[in-house]
Amino acid sequence: GAVVSQHPSWVICKSGTSVKIECRSLDFQATTMFWYRQFPKQSLMLMATSNEGSKATYEQGVEKDKFLINHASLTLSTLTVTSAHPEDSSFYICSAGLDNHGYTFGSGTRLTVV
Amino acid sequence: KQEVTQIPAALSVPEGENLVLNCSFTDSAIYNLQWFRQDPGKGLTSLLLIQSSQREQTSGRLNASLDKSSGRSTLYIAASQPGDSATYLCAVVRAGSYQLTFGKGTKLSVIP
Repeated sequence: GAVVSQHPSWVICKSGTSVKIECRSLDFQATTMFWYRQFPKQSLMLMATSNEGSKATYEQGVEKDKFLINHASLTLSTLTVTSAHPEDSSFYICSAGLDNHGYTFGSGTRLTVV
Repeated sequence: KQEVTQIPAALSVPEGENLVLNCSFTDSAIYNLQWFRQDPGKGLTSLLLIQSSQREQTSGRLNASLDKSSGRSTLYIAASQPGDSATYLCAVVRAGSYQLTFGKGTKLSVIP
């Protein structure tokens, strides 16, 4: 079945630094990937839609300059949290959709900013 | 705006019981509905996908139904096991869109 691999699983960084999260589709090509954020005991909130070869589409209220998305190939999308602050600490998950097969998700990245 | 509600928010049952998780959505114009499982600190695992033209899907001990006109779906788990303990999320894709709208989930605990 379709697999989306997400790395790292967890990361701790200092306030003010940047962190990159990778999302790879292992056995299929994904022209579109999605990035979600999940707060404790809350459901997933769509942050942005990543489009291969073009600019990402951000949801209302999501700072595009803080959450940089790059989708340079059909199998890789990256999310970079720039100048991270403690309030950016959260669980980030990527996903990709397959026609008529729904969506498949990565294993998530727990970001802690200290 | 599509809203997805899951009831109950939490459920605790003894091992071996059959159980039903409920999901309702406000806009019946959906493309499909998908049930996921999420273990603590993990990503989402897809359980069942129901297209808008389908009424139900089955996989092992899981059966999901869809009544699009009433905006409801149920996930039936037969003979529950402690390994079924997780949070179950329901999500819909609105017709003409590609975005998933999630419910807040039902946290299931199966007691040995």
